[in-house]
Amino acid sequence: GDSVTQMEGPVTLSEEAFLTINCTYTATGYPSLFWYVQYPGEGLQLLLKATKADDKGSNKGFEATYRKETTSFHLEKGSVQVSDSAVYFCALSDRNTGNQFYFGTGTSLTVIP
Amino acid sequence: GAGVSQSPSNKVTEKGKDVELRCDPISGHTALYWYRQSLGQGLEFLIYFQGNSAPDKSGLPSDRFSAERTGGSVSTLTIQRTQQEDSAVYLCASSLEGGLSNQPQHFGDGTRLSIL
Repeated sequence: GDSVTQMEGPVTLSEEAFLTINCTYTATGYPSLFWYVQYPGEGLQLLLKATKADDKGSNKGFEATYRKETTSFHLEKGSVQVSDSAVYFCALSDRNTGNQFYFGTGTSLTVIP
Repeated sequence: GAGVSQSPSNKVTEKGKDVELRCDPISGHTALYWYRQSLGQGLEFLIYFQGNSAPDKSGLPSDRFSAERTGGSVSTLTIQRTQQEDSAVYLCASSLEGGLSNQPQHFGDGTRLSIL
C-alpha cells in the first residue's frame, strides 16, 4: 500500500544553517506530494506541493523536488530562521487509492539563535 | 468563513461520556477528512467524505467512533463511551475536489480532547 517515510527528529539547527528533511514514498500510481507545517499550537498548513515528476514546489524559502526515480521529496531550505521552528509533515495523495492522504510521522525542527 | 472551523477548540470530559466534535469546512469544498493526532505522533486517518458518496470509514478505530456529514457541508465526529486512550487532538481538513489528487487539504486548528 501507499506510505510515506520521513526523517525522524527532533532536528536542532542554528539560525542560518542549511536544512534537509528527507522524505521517501511508496505509491501504486502517480501521486501528488505535499509538505505541511504545524507551528506550535496551530493546525497544519500547506507549505508546498508538487504534482508530477521533476516538479519543484517552493514557498517561504523552502523547496522540494519530486524525484520519481528515487521516490523522494526531500525538503530543503538554505538558511533557516528561528521562526521556522515547527513540525514538518510529508504527505502524498494518490488517485489510485481514492485520493486518500498518507502522512509521514512528522519531523520536529527547532532553530536556535 | 475563510478557513476550516472546528469546535470546540478544547474539550475535557469524564471517561464513559459521549462527545461530539464539529467541523465546518471551507465553503465549496466537497471532500472532508477527519484525523487524530496523539501527543508526539503523526496523523492517524479516521474517515473521509467525498460529496454524496458513501464515506471511507476504514480508519475508524472502533465502533465507538462515528461521523456524519449533513447536507454535504458540516460534519460531526461522535465518540461514544470515551476512553482515556481517546485523548488526542482531532483534526478536520477539507479540499476542493476529492477526485483530483493534486488538491491540497486545508486543516482546521483541531479539537483537543482530554478524557479524565
